[in-house]
Amino acid sequence: GENVEQHPSTLSVQEGDSAVIKCTYSDSASNYFPWYKQELGKRPQLIIDIRSNVGEKKDQRIAVTLNKTAKHFSLHITETQPEDSAVYFCAARGNQFYFGTGTSLTVIP
Amino acid sequence: GAVVSQHPSRVICKSGTSVKIECRSLDFQATTMFWYRQFPKQSLMLMATSNEGSKATYEQGVEKDKFLINHASLTLSTLTVTSAHPEDSSFYICSARQGPYGYTFGSGTRLTVV
Repeated sequence: GENVEQHPSTLSVQEGDSAVIKCTYSDSASNYFPWYKQELGKRPQLIIDIRSNVGEKKDQRIAVTLNKTAKHFSLHITETQPEDSAVYFCAARGNQFYFGTGTSLTVIP
Repeated sequence: GAVVSQHPSRVICKSGTSVKIECRSLDFQATTMFWYRQFPKQSLMLMATSNEGSKATYEQGVEKDKFLINHASLTLSTLTVTSAHPEDSSFYICSARQGPYGYTFGSGTRLTVV
């Protein structure tokens, strides 16, 4: 099956700085790559996604880049705010739907 | 938008009993539903993929006789944890697929086995 690795596992940034989270995947058949934000005890919330025919997508302070050749994709959050603090998961969809290992982001006011 | 209802949100059961968790797509038909398990401060681990009208596909290491999945209709999938033990205590969450890029998560079920 798919193997999705995510780094870093924890990330602390000062408010206003940027945060970058990276994921790699193994299944070349994967063609859909969403990112989720999960708060403690709650369901994951989709924040942005990218399909395999696109290299970059941006939505306000959030952007995602995809390099299919290298099999990696990244989440970029600019001008971070304290409310961005949460656990972020990448995911890759081929025949199944697998999550990365998660990144706990802390934005320090 | 698409809504997935998952019940119960919390359940406490005695060791040896069985627990059923329901996942319903309220306003769309979900041909595929995914079941995940999440331990504290860890990622969502895919347990199985269920397709309506056919047997579920279980991930390696997941006991299909212990975690029974039924996807009898296009709007309902159930996960039954049979003969539950304390190590089965976890957060279980379903996801329903709508179209090629629509994945909606249920609100999760916190299972505690005492």
